[in-house]
Amino acid sequence: SQTIHQWPATLVQPVGSPLSLECTVEGTSNPNLYWYRQAAGRGLQLLFYSVGIGQISSEVPQNLSASRPQDRQFILSSKKLLLSDSGFYLCAWASTLYEQYFGPGTRLTVT
Amino acid sequence: ELKVEQNPLFLSMQEGKNYTIYCNYSTTSDRLYWYRQDPGKSLESLFVLLSNGAVKQEGRLMASLDTKARLSTLHITAAVHDLSATYFCAVDGYGGSQGNLIFGKGTKLSVKP
Repeated sequence: SQTIHQWPATLVQPVGSPLSLECTVEGTSNPNLYWYRQAAGRGLQLLFYSVGIGQISSEVPQNLSASRPQDRQFILSSKKLLLSDSGFYLCAWASTLYEQYFGPGTRLTVT
Repeated sequence: ELKVEQNPLFLSMQEGKNYTIYCNYSTTSDRLYWYRQDPGKSLESLFVLLSNGAVKQEGRLMASLDTKARLSTLHITAAVHDLSATYFCAVDGYGGSQGNLIFGKGTKLSVKP
């Protein structure tokens, strides 16, 4: 069966510091992968998606970047965090029916 | 621009009552998804509706899809406290191979004794 992992689970970072969040998927090959952000009490905002290694599409301009160095690894990064980057970051992979399965999430607080 | 609108956004119910959450979307789509999110947790997939007239049921929840009306409903029967959560609908508005979903803002359901 497929499993999706995210780490870290929680993170507190000062403004201006770098960020690296990691997502890995097990049990499937060549999945579509997604990064979302959910601000407190809000809906989901799609940040990036990837249909293959090295292929990244961005949905909104922002302070973040994404990379997919391996088939089942998706990384979200920033060189300098802003206060507005705080939120709950969710990684997801899509099945052949495009049903998305979400990881446990990373709660990021920028101070 | 594809829009997905849910209503109500907040719903307070008494245990044992029935209610319906509505999800309207603004473009043609044959696929609609319902998710549940508990406070502080990730999203859990509830239903995948793949065609007009599709109906799926799991326990006290039943979801349906009318692609002609661009409407999906999530019906709650005899609500219990354990159903308290936020429910999201999402539409695959892009087709193709990306599988990008557009999510509604969510309906926060609170079931009170």
